[in-house]
Amino acid sequence: GENVEQHPSTLSVQEGDSAVIKCTYSDSASNYFPWYKQELGKGPQLIIDIRSNVGEKKDQRIAVTLNKTAKHFSLHITETQPEDSAVYFCAASIWNNDMRFGAGTRLTVKP
Amino acid sequence: DTAVSQTPKYLVTQMGNDKSIKCEQNLGHDTMYWYKQDSKKFLKIMFSYNNKELIINETVPNRFSPKSPDKAHLNLHINSLELGDSAVYFCATRETGLTDTQYFGPGTRLTVL
Repeated sequence: GENVEQHPSTLSVQEGDSAVIKCTYSDSASNYFPWYKQELGKGPQLIIDIRSNVGEKKDQRIAVTLNKTAKHFSLHITETQPEDSAVYFCAASIWNNDMRFGAGTRLTVKP
Repeated sequence: DTAVSQTPKYLVTQMGNDKSIKCEQNLGHDTMYWYKQDSKKFLKIMFSYNNKELIINETVPNRFSPKSPDKAHLNLHINSLELGDSAVYFCATRETGLTDTQYFGPGTRLTVL
């Protein structure tokens, strides 16, 4: 089955800096890669996703890149703000199959 | 008007007890899940239900049993609770065939004493 690895497990940046979180997956048939943000005491919320027919996707300050050959994808957050502090999860799935999540990255943005 | 809701939000109970966590969704999705999140934040899928049929059981102990009275609900029953069951449990939903996106509930923090 699919195995998703996520790095780093913790990340601390200064406000205004960029943050990058990386994930690798094992199943080359995976074609959907979402990123979730989990704030303290809440459930994970989808922030951005990408499909295997696209190499990059942007939404304001966040972007995701996908390298199908290397089987890795990354989340990029620019101009970080304190409210970006949370745990971020990557995930991978094959169309209509269930997702496998990475272990999570705790991002801390220092004001 | 919450899309995926769970009750209770917190549950504290003694070892050996039987408890239930309820999940309700108003999105009209036909697939629902239960996840367990341990103290290290790792999300582990426990069950998924599609059209009232269990389609995944990820080696979860048989003390855990999902029950779906209708398409909008997937409840989690836990018998003979153990200390290791302490975790946050999340319900999630997905519209099968339309999207892969899963929508999560707010979670239920279970503490077994």
